[in-house]
Amino acid sequence: EVQLVESGGGLVKPGGSLRLSCAASGFTFSSYNMNWVRQAPGKGLEWVSFISRRSENIYYADSMKGRFTITRDNAKKSLYLEMNSLRVEDTAVYFCARDDAFDFWGHGTLVTVSS
Amino acid sequence: SYELTQPPSVSVSPGQTARITCSGDALPKKFASWYQQKSGQAPVLVIYEDTKRPSGIPERFSGSSSGTVATLTISGAQVEDGADYYCYSRDNSDNQRVFGGGTKLTVL
Repeated sequence: EVQLVESGGGLVKPGGSLRLSCAASGFTFSSYNMNWVRQAPGKGLEWVSFISRRSENIYYADSMKGRFTITRDNAKKSLYLEMNSLRVEDTAVYFCARDDAFDFWGHGTLVTVSS
Repeated sequence: SYELTQPPSVSVSPGQTARITCSGDALPKKFASWYQQKSGQAPVLVIYEDTKRPSGIPERFSGSSSGTVATLTISGAQVEDGADYYCYSRDNSDNQRVFGGGTKLTVL
């Protein structure tokens, strides 16, 4: 069974940093591209970042460029999102999602940016 | 930046056909996919590559695309199909991935 489990969310002050993790199981992690997607409270889905199978291609949404860094460790079957210079508007549930079609999603981890 | 446009809401009676549209300039060259999200849950893929249905998704869900508009059709909508639906695609450079703003489907 494919499973994606996010962790690392929490409360952080504006300007602070946080590292999210996504643990994958039930499939060959190294064979799939991966994404982070977020959803602010009461709002729609927003794509955050993409990383290809061997990390050769990495893309970010414009509002995250320079602040967020996506990485992966295929040996540990894990995806990461390092978030710096966090803003109040970064408050959201962050999901990891598999492949270019986002065919499987985790349940998300809540990041709250507030003073 | 690239945008996909969806109607905010669609409402149908049970058994009717619901159609949700998604407009984007790159859609003639880029595939669209569709996601269903119920309150408090993670999104679920219901259509990918414009027309393909993942295993486990009911046959009443179908997708099409023509020109700059992709459409999700739910034939014989059921009360349990009421949810938020999001389209997704990429821009022509393939660097930017975008979700539409979402459509709230009410089946009552």
